[in-house]
Amino acid sequence: EIVLTQSPGTLSLSPGERATLSCRASQSVSSNFLAWYQQKPGQAPRLVVYGASSRATGIPDRFSGSGSGTDFTLTISRLEPEDFAVYYCQQYDSSRWTFGQGTKVEVK
Amino acid sequence: QVQLRESGPGLVKPSETLSLTCIVSGASVSSGSYYWNWIRQPPGKRLEWIGYIDYSGNTNYNPSLKSRATISPDMSKNQFSLRLTSVTAADTAVYYCARGDFLTNWGQGTLVIVSS
Repeated sequence: EIVLTQSPGTLSLSPGERATLSCRASQSVSSNFLAWYQQKPGQAPRLVVYGASSRATGIPDRFSGSGSGTDFTLTISRLEPEDFAVYYCQQYDSSRWTFGQGTKVEVK
Repeated sequence: QVQLRESGPGLVKPSETLSLTCIVSGASVSSGSYYWNWIRQPPGKRLEWIGYIDYSGNTNYNPSLKSRATISPDMSKNQFSLRLTSVTAADTAVYYCARGDFLTNWGQGTLVIVSS
């Protein structure tokens, strides 16, 4: 099983600031089969990035994904009020898909 | 536009079987090379992938569920179902159905509580 560890657990930032979220895998994720999701309270997750760096349909370009192998990053260049949420990474490389424990981006 | 919607009982007794259905519109569960998944999220915890069925009827499950989960299709109704046997309080969660390997489309989720 590929274990995904996200850091930090909570990120306290102000609107307009830059957010950098990390996802580290216990073993290499081949072909960058790594996705990021945004989840707001009471809602289903929403795909933000797939293939480590491709933005999903309708996702603004202030969101960007990067990384390869075992280290991946989701960056939000300038936080908008609607971006405050919990973000999860997911790997779909191995036969057993797994999620990270999440990073909460909260208003400082 | 692809839409998914979960349906099923919100309360299940311990040791019984949890049964949920995902109703799909805008896409066919029997074509298109997609995976059709069940995912759950216990209150305040991370997402957990339960398993999937693909367009050919092949299935893959999370081994942590110890063979308690079964996902099956109903092609005539364009839906797929989850059965989880011998449930305990630890199976209390919001259950989602979703399409893909990177999960592009999700249902709104349904809360299932395991309690006597």
